Amino acid sequence: DTEVTQTPKHLVMGMTNKKSLKCEQHMGHRAMYWYKQKAKKPPELMFVYSYEKLSINESVPSRFSPECPNSSLLNLHLHALQPEDSALYLCASSQVGTGAYYGYTFGSGTRLTVV
Amino acid sequence: AQKITQTQPGMFVQEKEAVTLDCTYDTSDPSYGLFWYKQPSSGEMIFLIYQGSYDQQNATEGRYSLNFQKARKSANLVISASQLGDSAMYFCAMRGVNTNAGKSTFGDGTTLTVKP
Repeated sequence: DTEVTQTPKHLVMGMTNKKSLKCEQHMGHRAMYWYKQKAKKPPELMFVYSYEKLSINESVPSRFSPECPNSSLLNLHLHALQPEDSALYLCASSQVGTGAYYGYTFGSGTRLTVV
Repeated sequence: AQKITQTQPGMFVQEKEAVTLDCTYDTSDPSYGLFWYKQPSSGEMIFLIYQGSYDQQNATEGRYSLNFQKARKSANLVISASQLGDSAMYFCAMRGVNTNAGKSTFGDGTTLTVKP
């Protein structure tokens, strides 16, 4: 069982819809991430939250809106998406520390299709 | 800036044999970490192994080992005794001491197919 839980696993939405992706971890990690991944490509970083504060926004369009309500939860709110936004959306978490590097724990992802 | 290069888009290996997946990197950070992840067709990315730039010994985790050659800037993943379940895409990644909030750079990945 993955220790980072993402819901839903699959999502089909129209271009005028509003939906949210959810991510939850209970490992005490204080950094959480959203990645977008197209088929056969590496994941692309979208957002990083460190200690519940947004620390990195990789120039993501405003139709994607992240939220970190507490240290265990991470949401990605979607609105007015385009078909090219169809992808696998991965949530990850990691410890935070200076002078040491921690691997990410990923969730199983949400496969998003925009129609 | 950091860059990861994986030159093998696809690799084949016979079951029970060892395989090496190549990874070279470039960074100006004086201290950094190198990672390998496995992504089966189901989509979940699985953290496999980590190597610190100042670690004296190569990292090992079960059947996975990392052949770290700092002077050559290479961090190859060695999988011993391949199993059918090892068929997946493998990503090499790195993070540097000067990198903000744990941001990682990923390579383009290598698709490994294990033949029975």
